[in-house]
Amino acid sequence: EAQVTQNPRYLITVTGKKLTVTCSQNMNHEYMSWYRQDPGLGLRQIYYSMNVEVTDKGDVPEGYKVSRKEKRNFPLILESPSPNQTSLYFCATRGGSSSYNEQFFGPGTRLTVL
Amino acid sequence: AQSVTQPDIHITVSEGASLELRCNYSYGATPYLFWYVQSPGQGLQLLLKYFSGDTLVQGIKGFEAEFKRSQSSFNLRKPSVHWSDAAEYFCAVGGNAGNMLTFGGGTRLMVKP
Repeated sequence: EAQVTQNPRYLITVTGKKLTVTCSQNMNHEYMSWYRQDPGLGLRQIYYSMNVEVTDKGDVPEGYKVSRKEKRNFPLILESPSPNQTSLYFCATRGGSSSYNEQFFGPGTRLTVL
Repeated sequence: AQSVTQPDIHITVSEGASLELRCNYSYGATPYLFWYVQSPGQGLQLLLKYFSGDTLVQGIKGFEAEFKRSQSSFNLRKPSVHWSDAAEYFCAVGGNAGNMLTFGGGTRLMVKP
């Protein structure tokens, strides 16, 4: 079954404690992306990756890092989380090079930073 | 810069009534336009998309959308709403000029029995 998985699904942490949210896909897609969803703001793109070792900033990259060492994994790293990073995070993947192709979303990770 | 506006934050309709969700976009080139649906506690699912051709696009679950270039709009419609359509709906714009997808703020649909 084609899947995008995220772990953890829920996380409560404290300011400044480094964390990683993992994203893994089994569709052999080149393109992967991270979004955060906040009420009234929709989804905003944090980072995306066109392929292994190729990453680029989205609209709201500040405070986040990503890496793409393998095609199937695209972890999101918060080196020093702050309360304004409390949000719902989605990983997405897309096959092919065209941005017209459908993006497939993971189930989301709800992060609370105290 | 590209942007999407969904003017209605909440909409309530009665089951069986028709539905129209509004979407206005701004994009400097030919846009790719999308509608996604998010059911409670779920990720997003693509309903339909448009790039070129017939300006009325059919999607899944009985939804359709009409592209109007002169109004920079891509409104989503359904002739008869079912209770299972209660969800949040997102319009998004992208294009071949880049690899970013920009979403609107979403419209939450509630369905009255």
